[in-house]
Amino acid sequence: SQQGEEDPQALSIQEGENATMNCSYKTSINNLQWYRQNSGRGLVHLILIRSNEREKHSGRLRVTLDTSKKSSSLLITASRAADTASYFCATAHIYNFGNEKLTFGTGTRLTIIP
Amino acid sequence: GAGVSQSPRYKVAKRGQDVALRCDPISGHVSLFWYQQALGQGPEFLTYFQNEAQLDKSGLPSDRFFAERPEGSVSTLKIQRTQQEDSAVYLCASSPTGTPSSNQPQHFGDGTRLSIL
Repeated sequence: SQQGEEDPQALSIQEGENATMNCSYKTSINNLQWYRQNSGRGLVHLILIRSNEREKHSGRLRVTLDTSKKSSSLLITASRAADTASYFCATAHIYNFGNEKLTFGTGTRLTIIP
Repeated sequence: GAGVSQSPRYKVAKRGQDVALRCDPISGHVSLFWYQQALGQGPEFLTYFQNEAQLDKSGLPSDRFFAERPEGSVSTLKIQRTQQEDSAVYLCASSPTGTPSSNQPQHFGDGTRLSIL
């Protein structure tokens, strides 16, 4: 079952604008990761934020994590046509003698209009 | 290789046939994961290997699904007596370590799109 829910389900913006996607989850986590998936391809890791971190940056990406609200957001600044893809948050949980499992959200489909 | 490789990329089978999907992880990666992704959904966990040991198979939908990684590198996901509801993209991912504090991302292959007629 999907642990996270992403909001919005779909987002269309003009090239150059900023895109914000939100993710909510239900249980405690070890870390939260964001992935991008282009149509017909596998997932590409974008950024990982640990449970004791509140904000992280990587290039045009900014991720925040609020463990008290069990939510995260991904901001893509100065969007480009190549950013068109589906974006998934994934929460990492420790279970069963230290194994780590990723549980993915339902995804946000982002379309950048040139 | 440079990345995770999956084969075949596309597989069409008739209901009731057996299929085998292959995953070549990044060389040296300890952990290997299989996921099932339905159209328009996020990937759902199927099973996890640490080297050759299958440590978690709780996500396998039924006993028709079987996975192995006999030498701790290449893995095969086998589906017996396929049903229409098995139609999905099957993704394989690997990561360098198997320790709980690794905080490592997973590296995904492009998946096998399975269609059951």
